[in-house]
Amino acid sequence: SQQGEEDPQALSIQEGENATMNCSYKTSINNLQWYRQNSGRGLVHLILIRSNEREKHSGRLRVTLDTSKKSSSLLITASRAADTASYFCATVEVQGAQKLVFGQGTRLTINP
Amino acid sequence: DTAVSQTPKYLVTQMGNDKSIKCEQNLGHDTMYWYKQDSKKFLKIMFSYNNKELIINETVPNRFSPKSPDKAHLNLHINSLELGDSAVYFCASTLGGPNTGELFFGEGSRLTVL
Repeated sequence: SQQGEEDPQALSIQEGENATMNCSYKTSINNLQWYRQNSGRGLVHLILIRSNEREKHSGRLRVTLDTSKKSSSLLITASRAADTASYFCATVEVQGAQKLVFGQGTRLTINP
Repeated sequence: DTAVSQTPKYLVTQMGNDKSIKCEQNLGHDTMYWYKQDSKKFLKIMFSYNNKELIINETVPNRFSPKSPDKAHLNLHINSLELGDSAVYFCASTLGGPNTGELFFGEGSRLTVL
């Protein structure tokens, strides 16, 4: 079953602007992870945030987690053309098998 | 020095045929997965193995049979291929499971069933 839902499904911005993608999920989670997928390639891990954490940074990436609203956001600052990709959130639920369940992804296009 | 490698990268075949996709990881991980990504980019877990033992088997048709000869390899065999099997299949691995860390993905195997 699909756990995360991302918003927007597609986002197009100018180089240098900030990009924000949101993810909502349905059940209690152990952690939430963000992945990037370039066209025709495999997924690459960006950040993992645990359920007891509220914010994490990695370079130009900032991830927030609000467990009361069951939502997360990924902010990419000072976007570059190379950031053009699909971005997926994925969650590990507290109950059930330890598996990573992906959202539908946000297609991000950075225009030079 | 590829971490997770899958072969073949592309596979085009006729309905009713049987095909296999192979996956190998050199990261020393103990858990491996197969995911299916459909044309809408939706990723769905199919199977997971931990130290050669099947631990996750989502509702996948019996035509799909994973095999893990050792913890570094996880192959996927598909019998009697159907049009709906057309997708990109991703192998992934992790150390200790997704509760503790990230998954490392292969580059995918694009299967087209005609």
